Amino acid sequence: QLQLQESGPGLVKPSETLSLTCAVSGGSISSSSYYWGWIRQPPGKGLEWVGSIYFSGSTYYNPSLRSRVTISVDTSKNQFSLKLSSVTATDTAVYYCARLAKYSGSCLDYWGQGTLVTVSS
Amino acid sequence: QSVLTQPPSVSAAPGQKVTISCSGSSSNIGDNYVSWYQQLPGTAPKLLIYENNDRPSGIPDRFSGSKSGTSATLGITGLQTGDEADYYCGARDSSLSAYVFGTGTKVTVL
Repeated sequence: QLQLQESGPGLVKPSETLSLTCAVSGGSISSSSYYWGWIRQPPGKGLEWVGSIYFSGSTYYNPSLRSRVTISVDTSKNQFSLKLSSVTATDTAVYYCARLAKYSGSCLDYWGQGTLVTVSS
Repeated sequence: QSVLTQPPSVSAAPGQKVTISCSGSSSNIGDNYVSWYQQLPGTAPKLLIYENNDRPSGIPDRFSGSKSGTSATLGITGLQTGDEADYYCGARDSSLSAYVFGTGTKVTVL
């Protein structure tokens, strides 16, 4: 059974860089059938797609976040990472990592449990 | 800044049926498959429907999906208290080269 687990600091200061990692187990991140993505959810609000990456390194980012987001993949460790720079309080959210299935209508079929990141001094 | 529009809430009595609409445009729903996600309180979203109307293994047939033009609909029949959750539609957007979500709908079982 595929599992995704987010990790990283739960508290980040304004103007600094948020960094999270998603460890994938029970399957290979190098599969050609999937992208790997980040989704966030501010407290009490809806879901927002942050971006996705393919095992080759190709990335797709939310246009509204593109200037601040970097997603990378480490196939040797079977994990991928998110960096969001110049954070403000509006970046406070639960961050989820998920698998995006290319050949099933681009659905997000497996999700991590999520990790809350608070931006505060 | 959700691109897909859903009603904020729907409700019905146990055993009844609810439908949730998801309205988009030609670049997302009109051009790509729609998925639906269920988010129970305090948990991560879970895939409920993919490719407009297919259910992953383990999802009961009380949940169904459909799509017409630039809109999609999720139906839940035989409503149960355990179905109380937030539901989101999602789809690729060909113009944005992005994945977009709906605004979300809270289902309440009366």
